[in-house]
Amino acid sequence: EAGVTQSPTHLIKTRGQQATLRCSPISGHTSVYWYQQALGLGLQFLLWYDEGEERNRGNFPPRFSGRQFPNYSSELNVNALELEDSALYLCASSPRVTSFGGYTFGSGTRLTVV
Amino acid sequence: QKEVEQNSGPLSVPEGAIASLNCTYSDRGSQSFFWYRQYSGKSPELIMSIYSNGDKEDGRFTAQLNKASQYVSLLIRDSQPSDSATYLCAWGYSSASKIIFGSGTRLSIRP
Repeated sequence: EAGVTQSPTHLIKTRGQQATLRCSPISGHTSVYWYQQALGLGLQFLLWYDEGEERNRGNFPPRFSGRQFPNYSSELNVNALELEDSALYLCASSPRVTSFGGYTFGSGTRLTVV
Repeated sequence: QKEVEQNSGPLSVPEGAIASLNCTYSDRGSQSFFWYRQYSGKSPELIMSIYSNGDKEDGRFTAQLNKASQYVSLLIRDSQPSDSATYLCAWGYSSASKIIFGSGTRLSIRP
């Protein structure tokens, strides 16, 4: 069974540009979560999508946005990039069940803003 | 108050000894608790989940949960150099939702 896949692995952008990160969940998983991990810091919750809807949002500015497609894959967009957006962006997926077994993370996208 | 508190370490433990990692959380509504391991430059990997008070053992790993004290811990027996990593404590609710992560404890196993 394929795990959570993220693309691209690395992304270098200039300040002010837009970045698009992509995530494909494990087959059968309907929930997708996005986290940001800046260097030396913990995982900060960004967004949660389930069944195509945004369910929850972390304490990030509106220039962080995303969507979930009918096949449950997801896209994270970061507009007007700032230097402090440089981080590892992690996507995770889980099944939409009442007994919550935890996330499986993808390998991440390393975003560098110069 | 931080939602999840962990000692950032580094915690240095001799090979073969027991490593003890601790975590406190603030939300009494928390239902699910997790320990993730993250090697440098890699993504976090789920190693233990626990939902009820008491101990849960899986190989060399034992997770302990005390909801009254809002405390969860991870014991690693017979520590190996390959256990050197950052260990992230996390909690969530019973239904699929976001997980809140601690900032992690760096564990170093010295030969």
